Amino acid sequence: QQQVKQSPQSLIVQKGGISIINCAYENTAFDYFPWYQQFPGKGPALLIAIRPDVSEKKEGRFTISFNKSAKQFSLHIMDSQPGDSATYFCAARTTGGFKTIFGAGTRLFVKA
Amino acid sequence: DGGITQSPKYLFRKEGQNVTLSCEQNLNHDAMYWYRQDPGQGLRLIYYSQIVNDFQKGDIAEGYSVSREKKESFPLTVTSAQKNPTAFYLCASSIGVQGNEQFFGPGTRLTVL
Repeated sequence: QQQVKQSPQSLIVQKGGISIINCAYENTAFDYFPWYQQFPGKGPALLIAIRPDVSEKKEGRFTISFNKSAKQFSLHIMDSQPGDSATYFCAARTTGGFKTIFGAGTRLFVKA
Repeated sequence: DGGITQSPKYLFRKEGQNVTLSCEQNLNHDAMYWYRQDPGQGLRLIYYSQIVNDFQKGDIAEGYSVSREKKESFPLTVTSAQKNPTAFYLCASSIGVQGNEQFFGPGTRLTVL
């Protein structure tokens, strides 16, 4: 089965620090890699996304780095804030768009 | 406001009972999805629908059923055949199955007593 492996499971970062979440995939049949942010009791919301022909994408304090040859991608949150405390999911959409595979999630806590 | 609504927010069910979770969207999206979320397991796809009157099984469809009689509605029935139904259920939609972004509802937490 196609999988997306996400690490770490949980992360504690000081305010102003950099939060880094890593994901790896096993199959090359993906064409879109989104990251979702979920607050407790809410549904996930798209945070940032990247396509495999791009190595990096930045939106404000959030950056995705993508390494196609290593089949890895990561989310960097610069200047982390307490309001960033949430669960983050990486995901990969299969080519053709029929299915999005989600990682297990990372619970981020930013200490004030 | 455009968006996805799910009801109820919390649902309690006795073992052996079927229960239906509601999902409505006013985004005019063609595709709709149901996911199940369990701690430490991410989101797993139960069913998805590309257009009205058509739907496909996802990875964990056993014990669940859906219908898509209207574009804006995609209800999920959790049947008594589902062995471990206690979970957080999320409905989502996208412009099409190949739409880049999936928009999620607020979720329904189902607890089997």
